This record gives sequence, structure tokens and C-alpha cells, in this order.
Amino acid sequence: GENVEQHPSTLSVQEGDSAVIKCTYSDSASNYFPWYKQELGKGPQLIIDIRSNVGEKKDQRIAVTLNKTAKHFSLHITETQPEDSAVYFCAAPTDSWGKFQFGAGTQVVVTP
Amino acid sequence: SAVISQKPSRDICQRGTSLTIQCQVDSQVTMMFWYRQQPGQSLTLIATANQGSEATYESGFVIDKFPISRPNLTFSTLTVSNMSPEDSSIYLCSVRTRGDGDGYTFGSGTRLTVV
Repeated sequence: GENVEQHPSTLSVQEGDSAVIKCTYSDSASNYFPWYKQELGKGPQLIIDIRSNVGEKKDQRIAVTLNKTAKHFSLHITETQPEDSAVYFCAAPTDSWGKFQFGAGTQVVVTP
Repeated sequence: SAVISQKPSRDICQRGTSLTIQCQVDSQVTMMFWYRQQPGQSLTLIATANQGSEATYESGFVIDKFPISRPNLTFSTLTVSNMSPEDSSIYLCSVRTRGDGDGYTFGSGTRLTVV
């Protein structure tokens, strides 16, 4: 089955700096990779996703890159703001029916 | 994307009792998923709830402990039975997002504390 590893577990950045979170996956057949943001006391919210037929996708200050050969994908947050502070999870599909394996999560803290 | 209402948002329960969590979606969805998130941990899939058939449970989760109902395409319940302190977690329902993406939409979760 799919195995997803996520690093780092915690990330502290100064406001305005960039943050990068990396995930690796094991199943080369995986073709869709979402990223979720979970704020305290809330459920995870989908913030960006990427399909395996593209290498990069951007949405304002966030972007996701995918390296299929190396089987890793990364979340990039530029010009970080205090409201970016949250736990971020990556995920990869474990089957074609919509089940996902989630990474362990990254606690991002943006300090003013 | 779908909007999910999950109830209750939190509860404190005595060990040995059961709690039923409700998940209501604002649109019809084929599959609903129940997850557990233990304190400070990632999300673990408990089961997939399909309308008109029994739920499919992941390894380590059994129907006697986590019975699930799926009476229609917009509603599901998860019961945590005979609770112990180890069941203290956040329980989340989710559905597959409609539109361009295939990612899930999650409910806000039920924070359960068993004392």
C-alpha cells in the first residue's frame, strides 16, 4: 500500500519568509496529491492539489511541485503571514476509490 | 464544494458509554468516509460508508466498536461504542469533493474526550 512521509514535523518562519514542506510517496501509480491546512479546532481544509500530469501548480501565495521520478511533492508558501500558522497535511491515494494516506503533518508557526 | 455539518462538535463521555456522531452533507454523495485523528496525530481512515450497503472498515477497526449507518446519500452516523479513554480523539467525516478536484471535503470534526 501507499506510504507517505512528511517533513519537517515543525517549521518556524519569520513573517514574509517562505515555507517549504516536503512529502514522499511510495506507490508510483499514485496520480493525485492534495494538501490540507488544519487550523486549531477545525477540520482539514483542502488548499491546493496537483495531478501527476503536471509538475507545478500555483494559487496566489501557495504552490505545489511534483517530481514523479523521485516520488516526492512539496508545498511552497511565499510571503508568509501569521494566518498561515496551522498544521499542514499532504496525502496520496491508496486506491482508485478515493481513499488517501495522509502524512504525519507539519506544524507551521509564522512569527511577526 | 460540498458543505458538511457534523454534530456534536465536542463531547465529554463516561467510559463504557456510546456516542453517535452525525454527518449531514448539503448534496448527494456516493461515498462518505470516517476518520479518526488522535491528539497531535495525523488522520487515520476508520471506514467508508456506502449508501445501501454495509460500511467497509480499515484494518484495526471493527463494526462492533464503530457501527456506521448510511440511510441516504446525504447523511451518515458513526457510533463509538463502549468507550475507553483511548477513544479520546477527533472524529471527522468527509466526502469526495465535486468539481475539478478529487480531494476530500472534511467536516469540522467531533472532539471526544472519554473520562
